[in-house]
Amino acid sequence: KQEVTQIPAALSVPEGENLVLNCSFTDSAIYNLQWFRQDPGKGLTSLLLIQSSQREQTSGRLNASLDKSSGRSTLYIAASQPGDSATYLCAARLSEGAGGTSYGKLTFGQGTILTVHP
Amino acid sequence: DARVTQTPRHKVTEMGQEVTMRCQPILGHNTVFWYRQTMMQGLELLAYFRNRAPLDDSGMPKDRFSAEMPDATLATLKIQPSEPRDSAVYFCASGLRLGFEAFFGQGTRLTVV
Repeated sequence: KQEVTQIPAALSVPEGENLVLNCSFTDSAIYNLQWFRQDPGKGLTSLLLIQSSQREQTSGRLNASLDKSSGRSTLYIAASQPGDSATYLCAARLSEGAGGTSYGKLTFGQGTILTVHP
Repeated sequence: DARVTQTPRHKVTEMGQEVTMRCQPILGHNTVFWYRQTMMQGLELLAYFRNRAPLDDSGMPKDRFSAEMPDATLATLKIQPSEPRDSAVYFCASGLRLGFEAFFGQGTRLTVV
């Protein structure tokens, strides 16, 4: 059974810092991994999707890396801003079935609560 | 812009009542997922569909939960009878194909008293 762990559980940083959020998964046979952001009382916003064949993906100030062999992914946020304050969730999608396809179900970590203070 | 729409956004009901949550997936998406989020368990997959057919509903309590897709534009999640332990936020998500990026709705916050 795939298990996803995120550390730290919470992080508080001053504005402008570069920071790294960590995600680890127990089953390396993943199809892809998706990072989400969740604001209080809101739904999940997809930030980055990184395929199993990729090493990293970038979107603006965000960079996600993936190391399947070690079961790890990191989300790097450059020059953090107060507007980045939210809960960040990573979710692994298993590779299943013939040919390594995926049925799509995501296994989520518990999230990292990020607070960026001015 | 295209988005997953869930109704109602909030629901308060008494124990034993039936609850129906609805989801309109993004037009053209053929996979639909139902997740439940609680403080203790985080996000858990309840059920998912491909081309309106259920692929896996092993995450749902079968005796009280049911999920259906009457047509390609509507997915429903029903709880009957509801219990206080069902209180959670229920999310629907849709994707273009299995394994591809999932887009989430805003969720239905259910409180069973």
